[in-house]
Amino acid sequence: DIQMTQSPSSLSASVGDRVTITCRASQSISSYLNWYQQKPGKAPKLLIFAASSLQSGVPSRFSGSGSGTDFTLTISSLQPEDFATYFCQQSYSTPPAFGQGTKVEIK
Amino acid sequence: EVQLVESGGGLVQPGGSLRLSCAASGFTFSIYWMHWVRQAPGKGLVWVSRINSDVSSTSYADSVKGRFTISRDNAKNTLYLQMNSLRVEDTAVYYCARGGAKGSGSYFWFDPWGQGTLVTVSS
Repeated sequence: DIQMTQSPSSLSASVGDRVTITCRASQSISSYLNWYQQKPGKAPKLLIFAASSLQSGVPSRFSGSGSGTDFTLTISSLQPEDFATYFCQQSYSTPPAFGQGTKVEIK
Repeated sequence: EVQLVESGGGLVQPGGSLRLSCAASGFTFSIYWMHWVRQAPGKGLVWVSRINSDVSSTSYADSVKGRFTISRDNAKNTLYLQMNSLRVEDTAVYYCARGGAKGSGSYFWFDPWGQGTLVTVSS
């Protein structure tokens, strides 16, 4: 099975900051990488699919990059509504594994 | 509006059974793969099971294989998860999620998700 590792596990940032979250796969997954945002008590929401494609309705301050084993989610200017937990997920093979999550907190 | 609404969660004793349902609306249910994903309290997301659009194929996480059965009724736009021989470690919020459409070539992404239903396994 493919393992997904995110870093950091948590971070503190201020409104307006540029935030970068990384995700590493245990083997190459090409561009089969998706990113989700989850707020407390809510279901996850798809932000980015196929490593760099922005899901409809998602603000353009979110972007994704990478291929193979190393991927990045970037929030260009953090907004108050972006404080949440972010998960990466590989869709290359079964089982479709998630990273452990990165909690973005207010500094 | 695309919507998924889960039901059927609750408190059950170890060894017991429960059947979850997920009612879909706002899209052509019959052409999409569907998934169950769970999240234990305070923990991360774990994929549980999937079923393809025409009900000809299913797959399961090793942790639930042989105990859980995924099914769907395309006439009723409803997804199910039959959970037997439940264990304490099955305690989680269970989400249903839509995957890719038939013929799209990409099925293991999840959008949208339902609101989730809590399953608690405890004596």
